[in-house]
Amino acid sequence: AQSVTQPDIHITVSEGASLELRCNYSYGATPYLFWYVQSPGQGLQLLLKYFSGDTLVQGIKGFEAEFKRSQSSFNLRKPSVHWSDAAEYFCAMKTSYDKVIFGPGTSLSVIP
Amino acid sequence: GAGVSQSPSNKVTEKGKDVELRCDPISGHTALYWYRQRLGQGLEFLIYFQGNSAPDKSGLPSDRFSAERTGESVSTLTIQRTQQEDSAVYLCASSSEGKDGYTFGSGTRLTVV
Repeated sequence: AQSVTQPDIHITVSEGASLELRCNYSYGATPYLFWYVQSPGQGLQLLLKYFSGDTLVQGIKGFEAEFKRSQSSFNLRKPSVHWSDAAEYFCAMKTSYDKVIFGPGTSLSVIP
Repeated sequence: GAGVSQSPSNKVTEKGKDVELRCDPISGHTALYWYRQRLGQGLEFLIYFQGNSAPDKSGLPSDRFSAERTGESVSTLTIQRTQQEDSAVYLCASSSEGKDGYTFGSGTRLTVV
């Protein structure tokens, strides 16, 4: 079955620390992969996307993500977290049928 | 407009009433999606329109929910005989064909009292 999992429901990091949010997908081929961020009371904003080619993709706000086919993963990283990064993060994949499937989300809290 | 527009931004309705939510996608975007997000939850797929193809309604939770889209323009999501469990933020998104991700609207917060 096609699915996206985010193993961490909630993560807390200190401001300035590094961050990695995990995402795993289940699909028979390589999907298109996305990370979205949802700040409190806001809509969803696209952080970055992977289609093919270089497995390390850069996004907005200093985020990057690495696609690892062998692990069916697309983890999101940031070297130094800012307090404004506190938000809900959603990993998503788009299959050949064009329907985007979202993971359950990871809530990020940042300690000053 | 430049983004996906949803109206109303907030809606409070009495249990049993019908509500209609509107989504204006980005001009030229052939695909339009509706999602539901309950408080503290992830995104629940409802329905997907792609051009003139038959919509994918596989996510609609009951026959009280329906949606329409005229061509590649505005879509309306209708909830009949609303129940308290329908309270959620209803998000609309649109995309062009192929590899692009979605562009989301700000959502309609529906509260059924």
